[in-house]
Amino acid sequence: DTGVSQNPRHKITKRGQNVTFRCDPISEHNRLYWYRQTLGQGPEFLTYFQNEAQLEKSRLLSDRFSAERPKGSFSTLEIQRTEQGDSAMYLCASSLYQGLTEAFFGQGTRLTVV
Amino acid sequence: GESVGLHLPTLSVQEGDNSIINCAYSNSASDYFIWYKQESGKGPQFIIDIRSNMDKRQGQRVTVLLNKTVKHLSLQIAATQPGDSAVYFCAEAEGAQKLVFGQGTRLTINP
Repeated sequence: DTGVSQNPRHKITKRGQNVTFRCDPISEHNRLYWYRQTLGQGPEFLTYFQNEAQLEKSRLLSDRFSAERPKGSFSTLEIQRTEQGDSAMYLCASSLYQGLTEAFFGQGTRLTVV
Repeated sequence: GESVGLHLPTLSVQEGDNSIINCAYSNSASDYFIWYKQESGKGPQFIIDIRSNMDKRQGQRVTVLLNKTVKHLSLQIAATQPGDSAVYFCAEAEGAQKLVFGQGTRLTINP
């Protein structure tokens, strides 16, 4: 088990372009979370899945953001028409849903919008 | 809405001393709490968790204390080492829902 894997680790894009990030959770974990983190702040919740079902989306998540987990394994987060304010670290975490269990994070994808 | 906050944004301690990092939470319905450590450029790393039916839990060199009466959480690190330098976040959850994070405390270990 190699833990939660995120790709790419870094992404630089021009404003207005679309970007997609991938997260591969720990294999037996059925919960998958996306968070966003800006410098000096704690991770901010974006959305989470249980298996392939998206159970909650943050009200902060604009229509430009979409996440999928089509087969209940890996997940993708897409940002359309990127803006400079989207620059942040995007973190993925997974957990095994059996009541209350810890979530394990990946190393994140750092997005820079220029 | 619920929020998780920290009393101090920075903490400096001497190597070998004990560190105490504090956290206040506002959602009285939260029943699960986690402490994470985050080093520069890396994702948060799980340290220790505690459920609301417990007041104290110990790990290797770390202890988490939970005071539900005043909605306060603390992380104690014994005999701090240079490798303990990082930002520490507390996070809380209600039921088996999402984790809500605080701003974090930067711990610096002085030689």
